[in-house]
Amino acid sequence: AQSVTQLGSHVSVSEGALVLLRCNYSSSVPPYLFWYVQYPNQGLQLLLKYTTGATLVKGINGFEAEFKKSETSFHLTKPSAHMSDAAEYFCAVRLSGNTPLVFGKGTRLSVIA
Amino acid sequence: EPEVTQTPSHQVTQMGQEVILRCVPISNHLYFYWYRQILGQKVEFLVSFYNNEISEKSEIFDDQFSVERPDGSNFTLKIRSTKLEDSAMYFCASSTDRGNEQYFGPGTRLTVT
Repeated sequence: AQSVTQLGSHVSVSEGALVLLRCNYSSSVPPYLFWYVQYPNQGLQLLLKYTTGATLVKGINGFEAEFKKSETSFHLTKPSAHMSDAAEYFCAVRLSGNTPLVFGKGTRLSVIA
Repeated sequence: EPEVTQTPSHQVTQMGQEVILRCVPISNHLYFYWYRQILGQKVEFLVSFYNNEISEKSEIFDDQFSVERPDGSNFTLKIRSTKLEDSAMYFCASSTDRGNEQYFGPGTRLTVT
């Protein structure tokens, strides 16, 4: 069975600092990987996804993530945090188009001025 | 931009009562999903729906739950006799087909007292 672990339920960074949100997965086969963001009182919005091809994936709002098969990781990064990045971030995995999304517990990102 | 909408945003109900959570998926989407997130826990898959029938469901989705697409626009989740442990945020999602990105609604917070 697939599972997703997000290290750190809460991450706090200064404005302009690097953002690093960690995600590790377990899967018997190479999965599809996703990062979703949830702003207060809003739904889950897709930031980026990895299905096949290039392992460094760029998403919206300056975020990117790298699929590292050897480390079973899909960490989310952004070079310079902005106040508007404060939100809850969810990593998710699915084996293929035929399976539902499996989510991690989420990481709340706070950005300090 | 088209979006998934959910009503109500917050529902309070007494234990044993029936609740219906409503979702309006994006109009040209064919696959519909319900997920839930109990406070402090992971977002969990409940059920997927296609062509007017359930295509997949999790072990959470027991006989107390049902889904319906009563007309061409709404997609509902009914909980027949709510329990305290049904208190959670319920997310609806839709996609054009099974392998594609799922678009999420803002969620309905269900509180069972």
